[in-house]
Amino acid sequence: DAGITQSPRHKVTETGTPVTLRCHQTENHRYMYWYRQDPGHGLRLIHYSYGVKDTDKGEVSDGYSVSRSKTEDFLLTLESATSSQTSVYFCAIRGGNYEQYFGPGTRLTVT
Amino acid sequence: GQQVMQIPQYQHVQEGEDFTTYCNSSTTLSNIQWYKQRPGGHPVFLIQLVKSGEVKKQKRLTFQFGEAKKNSSLHITATQTTDVGTYFCAVNNAGNMLTFGGGTRLMVKP
Repeated sequence: DAGITQSPRHKVTETGTPVTLRCHQTENHRYMYWYRQDPGHGLRLIHYSYGVKDTDKGEVSDGYSVSRSKTEDFLLTLESATSSQTSVYFCAIRGGNYEQYFGPGTRLTVT
Repeated sequence: GQQVMQIPQYQHVQEGEDFTTYCNSSTTLSNIQWYKQRPGGHPVFLIQLVKSGEVKKQKRLTFQFGEAKKNSSLHITATQTTDVGTYFCAVNNAGNMLTFGGGTRLMVKP
């Protein structure tokens, strides 16, 4: 699966706490993406990166920040988690023909 | 960016029946991709269609891109329980981002 891992795989946190999710890839892909998936909304893009320190917003970026200090790692941070950010978060990389390969996902619950 | 509507939202079929999901756009698409997500899993890339009227097959799956490049379909012949999952279409926006359809959830009764 394109050598993509996500950590943690599951997390329960309280409202107002900061949370960082990590995506790690081993194949030197330039483009990396963070999505959230919710019932009734499908997959929605949060942020993406097109290189080290190069990131851009997606469709639902409010409340999220990202960082990419190394090619292999793309971090998604919720500065102050809210219940509306309870979701499944997927990281993805872009392949050579613009297709995307997804990591296994992180299930985040904000109580 | 380009948007796509996917129908139906849900489909129950008896094992052995055929299944089709449709993806429609009001604008001409440069290409379209299809993904499958098993329950509890992550989306997995299936195929990309680029040419007008293109038809591609993967075993029992047939993918079509409309002549006007505004719609696409995925047809599964003689469904099996292993086909269970949600099928998504996705379109490229400016080459860097994908916009996903809402998905069609397929349930197969054995």
